Amino acid sequence: AQRVTQPEKLLSVFKGAPVELKCNYSYSGSPELFWYVQYSRQRLQLLLRHISRESIKGFTADLNKGETSFHLKKPFAQEEDSAMYYCALYPLTGAGGTSYGKLTFGQGTILTVHP
Amino acid sequence: GAVVSQHPSRVICKSGTSVKIECRSLDFQATTMFWYRQFPKQSLMLMATSNEGSKATYEQGVEKDKFLINHASLTLSTLTVTSAHPEDSSFYICSARRREHEQYFGPGTRLTVT
Repeated sequence: AQRVTQPEKLLSVFKGAPVELKCNYSYSGSPELFWYVQYSRQRLQLLLRHISRESIKGFTADLNKGETSFHLKKPFAQEEDSAMYYCALYPLTGAGGTSYGKLTFGQGTILTVHP
Repeated sequence: GAVVSQHPSRVICKSGTSVKIECRSLDFQATTMFWYRQFPKQSLMLMATSNEGSKATYEQGVEKDKFLINHASLTLSTLTVTSAHPEDSSFYICSARRREHEQYFGPGTRLTVT
């Protein structure tokens, strides 16, 4: 079975400070990892995916297969980054079974950027 | 971009009644849609996978007779909460898969059972 862990439920930083939201996963096959963001009163939306290796809104995330991590980073946080962030895993290959085709979400991290 | 709508956005119903929530993919066809439940400031819990033209697949612990799912067309899936009780009060979110690895989420439906 696949599992996604976000150890921090709440994270507070000041504007301009670096921010890192942690995500660890476990999956026996080959996964695709995503970060989703949910701003206040808005729907869940895709922020970035590891396969595309792009930077969105200044955020980056690198898949570290050795540490099974996919931490989200931004060098200079902005107030508008305040939101709930979810790390999610999609099974590309491997374990299959009942996990196939489904996204598994972490518990979410509420990021608050103070002025 | 791909858009998924949900209706209603919020609904209040009395205990014992049933309520239907619609999920539509507006500009693409989705053979697969997903229904999630989200508790305040918590993660999304997958309830079931809705497949067009076939029975939904429910996650362990989700009562299929209580949460009826119908995916009658490539753009519409419905979730009916039958004989609702206060503990069913929650935020229900659907998503539609446009292609492999791409899911688009609806805005959610706030259900309150009194």
